[in-house]
Amino acid sequence: DAGVTQSPTHLIKTRGQQVTLRCSPKSGHDTVSWYQQALGQGPQFIFQYYEEEERQRGNFPDRFSGHQFPNYSSELNVNALLLGDSALYLCASSFEGGRGYGYTFGSGTRLTVV
Amino acid sequence: TQLLEQSPQFLSIQEGENLTVYCNSSSVFSSLQWYRQEPGEGPVLLVTVVTGGEVKKLKRLTFQFGDARKDSSLHITAAQPGDTGLYLCAGAKGGSQGNLIFGKGTKLSVKP
Repeated sequence: DAGVTQSPTHLIKTRGQQVTLRCSPKSGHDTVSWYQQALGQGPQFIFQYYEEEERQRGNFPDRFSGHQFPNYSSELNVNALLLGDSALYLCASSFEGGRGYGYTFGSGTRLTVV
Repeated sequence: TQLLEQSPQFLSIQEGENLTVYCNSSSVFSSLQWYRQEPGEGPVLLVTVVTGGEVKKLKRLTFQFGDARKDSSLHITAAQPGDTGLYLCAGAKGGSQGNLIFGKGTKLSVKP
């Protein structure tokens, strides 16, 4: 049973460019959350998708947007990249019925902005 | 504002020693989760504690949730090199699934 799958694993982009990161949730999970983890820091919540809609959002600018597809997979888009966007982007999936007690994280996408 | 403070930030010990990691906040959480993260990997859930005063054991790891649900501790008995990693605590507010608030983590190194 595959866990959470994220792609790509590593990415290098130039300032001002746009990037799309992808996430396939664990089988049976219907909720996807995205987190940003800067070096030496704990993950910070970006937003959560459930039933193809953004349900909650953290303190991130509108340059960060997302989407959830009918098969529960999700994308994170970041526009107008800044050097400070360099981080590990983590996707976590869960089952709505689990009420937050069963997060599974992917291995992340390491984004470097130069 | 860092709502969850973890201490110590770094810990380097010898195999066989015991250790305790702390996670403190001025906020009340409906649940608190502990994760372990290894370099290049995502966090792996170790335990979720929900009830104030709750104690959970996972082999050599003992987790405790404070009575007021504002703090938690993780105690490891007879640490092994395989315990090396970044230990993160994360609090959830209310009944929602999203918006886990993470601490900065405790980086543990266990030397053989």
